Amino acid sequence: EAQVTQNPRYLITVTGKKLTVTCSQNMNHEYMSWYRQDPGLGLRQIYYSMNVEVTDKGDVPEGYKVSRKEKRNFPLILESPSPNQTSLYFCASSSKGDPGRGQYFGPGTRLTVT
Amino acid sequence: AQRVTQPEKLLSVFKGAPVELKCNYSYSGSPELFWYVQYSRQRLQLLLRHISRESIKGFTADLNKGETSFHLKKPFAQEEDSAMYYCALRSSGGYQKVTFGTGTKLQVIP
Repeated sequence: EAQVTQNPRYLITVTGKKLTVTCSQNMNHEYMSWYRQDPGLGLRQIYYSMNVEVTDKGDVPEGYKVSRKEKRNFPLILESPSPNQTSLYFCASSSKGDPGRGQYFGPGTRLTVT
Repeated sequence: AQRVTQPEKLLSVFKGAPVELKCNYSYSGSPELFWYVQYSRQRLQLLLRHISRESIKGFTADLNKGETSFHLKKPFAQEEDSAMYYCALRSSGGYQKVTFGTGTKLQVIP
């Protein structure tokens, strides 16, 4: 089954404790993105990746890092989480060969930073 | 900079009534526009893309470059249409920078 998976689905952590949210897709998609969803603000793109080792900043990259060492994986790293990073995070992927199909989204990771 | 505006946070309509969810955009190039839907406690899923001009679940959307709009329409609302709807713009030229609107919650009243 074609899908985007994220782990963990729920995470409660404390300020300053480094964490990684994993994202994996099994559709051989070139493009991957991370978004955060906040009430009243919709989805905002954090980082995106055009292919392995190619990443770029979205609209809200501060406080986040990403890496794309393999085509299927695109982890989101919070080196020193702060309470304002409490949010619902979505990973998404799409195909370079069929751009009109839009993005496939993961189930979301709800992060709480205390 | 690209921008997407969805002016209504909440749209309530009666079952069987027409629906129009508004989306306006600002972009200097040729936009690629999408509508995504998020049902309660589910992930976002693609509803429509402007290049296909297709109808999905009775919804249609037309890109109006003159008015820079991409409104989503359905002639007769169903209860199962109740969800959050997001309009999204993807930059052209092979980049994957995507901007979403803030979303409109559609509530269909039985």
